[in-house]
Amino acid sequence: GAGVSQSPSNKVTEKGKDVELRCDPISGHTALYWYRQSLGQGLEFLIYFQGNSAPDKSGLPSDRFSAERTGGSVSTLTIQRTQQEDSAVYLCASSLETGVGETQYFGPGTRLLVL
Amino acid sequence: AQSVAQPEDQVNVAEGNPLTVKCTYSVSGNPYLFWYVQYPNRGLQFLLKYITGDNLVKGSYGFEAEFNKSQTSFHLKKPSALVSDSALYFCAVRDPNDYKLSFGAGTTVTVRA
Repeated sequence: GAGVSQSPSNKVTEKGKDVELRCDPISGHTALYWYRQSLGQGLEFLIYFQGNSAPDKSGLPSDRFSAERTGGSVSTLTIQRTQQEDSAVYLCASSLETGVGETQYFGPGTRLLVL
Repeated sequence: AQSVAQPEDQVNVAEGNPLTVKCTYSVSGNPYLFWYVQYPNRGLQFLLKYITGDNLVKGSYGFEAEFNKSQTSFHLKKPSALVSDSALYFCAVRDPNDYKLSFGAGTTVTVRA
């Protein structure tokens, strides 16, 4: 079946602009996760959704970052007033449930470059 | 808080030789351990996981990993490496009281023909 998809695959933006990154999870997966992969910080957890709710947003780096999920499916990660340090690969993952044994399946990522 | 260490930045092996990628973890409760592989410009691909039960876990593409509680390790192994196994490998741990994965820094594996 179809895996996790993300769009765009690449995004180049100017400092100060807003960007939206989209994630389509595997159909039927109730849990959705956002991670960031950067050279300096490795793989960092950002936020997760159970259904449309985000119980813990503490991984978001600053208040310029926000995320939402609608219909228990598609999620959008928004970065306002982008900064150069936001340049990274943003990875989305989904799992059937949030149980500890559940496997998180990752999408191909969105590579963001802030000039 | 949970954490993972991958002590080797790079592992180089010849094709046909055994491959081992090391991982040690720290977690407050019972660990839930995962291995992922990342090919260039691709997302993370799940290889295998340890939740409970047999300490030797078998996964995709001939990979296996051994959970060792006393040494807090979860090393990834493959008996005979292929050139196509060249990639970036990540170990991850999940605390039973948490929902996020904590990843190691990654190990770049190069298999030479």
